Amino acid sequence: EPEVTQTPSHQVTQMGQEVILRCVPISNHLYFYWYRQILGQKVEFLVSFYNNEISEKSEIFDDQFSVERPDGSNFTLKIRSTKLEDSAMYFCASMRSAGGPIDEQFFGPGTRLTVL
Amino acid sequence: QKEVEQDPGPLSVPEGAIVSLNCTYSNSAFQYFMWYRQYSRKGPELLMYTYSSGNKEDGRFTAQVDKSSKYISLFIRDSQPSDSATYLCAMRENAGGTSYGKLTFGQGTILTVHP
Repeated sequence: EPEVTQTPSHQVTQMGQEVILRCVPISNHLYFYWYRQILGQKVEFLVSFYNNEISEKSEIFDDQFSVERPDGSNFTLKIRSTKLEDSAMYFCASMRSAGGPIDEQFFGPGTRLTVL
Repeated sequence: QKEVEQDPGPLSVPEGAIVSLNCTYSNSAFQYFMWYRQYSRKGPELLMYTYSSGNKEDGRFTAQVDKSSKYISLFIRDSQPSDSATYLCAMRENAGGTSYGKLTFGQGTILTVHP
């Protein structure tokens, strides 16, 4: 069964460093998402990506964040200068289309980001 | 008022009990309602998906949506220890226009079913 994969599973970085989180969505999916979950808090939407551009982003997704689909299969989230408060679990999700009532977002297993 | 509210629990029940999980929401534009299950340090996994008001049943699970009250529920019958997880409600607007499928989640309810 196709699944969303994410690497690395755990990333430890120093404050101020750049990190890139990687995701491989399900191959025939067209909509891609990043969410984050700070420990003990709710899953929060960061950004959606469709047709090679950002389609929607939250207030959290400021200039420190960027997304890219560099090669038609990978989908990356870059944080330019990490802060302590960026420590969280980051989930990638993909969806085949966004129009119908049966379209489902499939989530990856997440990357745990720890900023020291 | 938070867009989606969910009692975080924790909820502890004996095996075989009926479990009721609930969320309320404030955004009347939400059209699709989901329940995800999340095991510790894993990604959310879709459990149930409903569109608009009504009931949907899948085995031991029943999802209810009452749009007039902005209230959704998940019922688990004959609960099993393997049902122990965090249950997240999630909602989204109709796609198109300014919405591209963004999900808004509740806080999650931690459920433990003990043998």
